[in-house]
Amino acid sequence: GESVGLHLPTLSVQEGDNSIINCAYSNSASDYFIWYKQESGKGPQFIIDIRSNMDKRQGQRVTVLLNKTVKHLSLQIAATQPGDSAVYFCAENPRTGRRALTFGSGTRLQVQP
Amino acid sequence: EADIYQTPRYLVIGTGKKITLECSQTMGHDKMYWYQQDPGMELHLIHYSYGVNSTEKGDLSSESTVSRIRTEHFPLTLESARPSHTSQYLCASSELDRVVTGELFFGEGSRLTVL
Repeated sequence: GESVGLHLPTLSVQEGDNSIINCAYSNSASDYFIWYKQESGKGPQFIIDIRSNMDKRQGQRVTVLLNKTVKHLSLQIAATQPGDSAVYFCAENPRTGRRALTFGSGTRLQVQP
Repeated sequence: EADIYQTPRYLVIGTGKKITLECSQTMGHDKMYWYQQDPGMELHLIHYSYGVNSTEKGDLSSESTVSRIRTEHFPLTLESARPSHTSQYLCASSELDRVVTGELFFGEGSRLTVL
């Protein structure tokens, strides 16, 4: 069946360093891959998406890389700040059908001052 | 800032009670969702709706029901709560043209504890 999973449950980085959060997926039929950020006590917040025909997409301080050969997705955060501390989820959106996201288990990012 | 609201934020009730979790959005979004999330874990889709009078079950088997009588309102009801229903329930919405990219707007969640 479909599954989206994350490699590391917790990532601790120093403020100012770059962060890389990884995700593996199994459904080759997904059209879009998405990253969400969830702060404590809040609902997830959309960060960035990437379409399956792209390898890389950049946003403000974030870059998402997609490697379809090994079914791997990563989120890179440049110059990590304390406000980046949260749980990060990857999700995939199927190409057909109901268009409802499948979420993976989260990675907690802890930014040390 | 997303204009999607969930009430109550926290609820502690006894087994067998009927509860309704409210979700309202003021963005005019057609598609709405309910996800269930245990602390720190992934989100599981339990219900979704394409618009008024449209409701579908999601991946996670759920004893809850939903209704969509108005575009802005998507309440979730548990007829008889059990301890296994203890969890966080997240409501979300999206514009139809954002459904493809997967950009959802989430509420802050309703944390339910059933004793």
